[in-house]
Amino acid sequence: EIVLTQSPATLSLSPGDRATLSCRATESVSNSLAWYQQKPGQPPRLLMYDVSYRATDIPARFSGSGSGTDFTLTISSLEPEDFAVYYCQHRSSWLSTFGGGTKVEIK
Amino acid sequence: EVQLEQSGTEVKKPGESLKISCQGSGYKFVYYWIAWVRQKPGKGLEWMGTIYPSDSDTKYSPSFQGQVTISADKSTSTAYLQWTSLKASDTAFYYCARRGGGRNKYLDTWGQGTLVTVSS
Repeated sequence: EIVLTQSPATLSLSPGDRATLSCRATESVSNSLAWYQQKPGQPPRLLMYDVSYRATDIPARFSGSGSGTDFTLTISSLEPEDFAVYYCQHRSSWLSTFGGGTKVEIK
Repeated sequence: EVQLEQSGTEVKKPGESLKISCQGSGYKFVYYWIAWVRQKPGKGLEWMGTIYPSDSDTKYSPSFQGQVTISADKSTSTAYLQWTSLKASDTAFYYCARRGGGRNKYLDTWGQGTLVTVSS
């Protein structure tokens, strides 16, 4: 089973800062990787799929990159509504795993 | 509008059985995989398994195989997650989510979550 490790666990930043979140897989996942955002009391929301494609209505300040085992979610300039927990996810044909999450908090 | 509506909060005792539901609307329910995801309080997301309602093809994460049963009823566009004997460690939020179609084969629509509390 592929394990996804996210770092850092917590990122303390200010509005307007650039956020860089990492997701590392124990073996290559090709480009089958997504990112989700979860705010308190809400279900997760899909942000990015297949590494670098933004989901519907996701603003352009979110971008994804990487391949193989190392992936990055970048938020170019943090807005107040971006402070949340972010999860990466790998999917195979039917099995899926999530990373442990990175919390982006206000510094 | 694509929506997944989940059943309400449950409070159960250890050893009791439970079946929670997830009803889809606004799309052709039978042709999209539905996944179930567990989130323990204050913790991360765990993928439990998935079902294709058209033929009830079901896949489970090894961690959840034998612990829960996933099913679906095409006639009511509803997916289910079921336990026969709950444990305190099953206390969590449970989300259903639709796997998208086309290129986006990820969880593009989520239910609001069902809180299950198991306590004596």
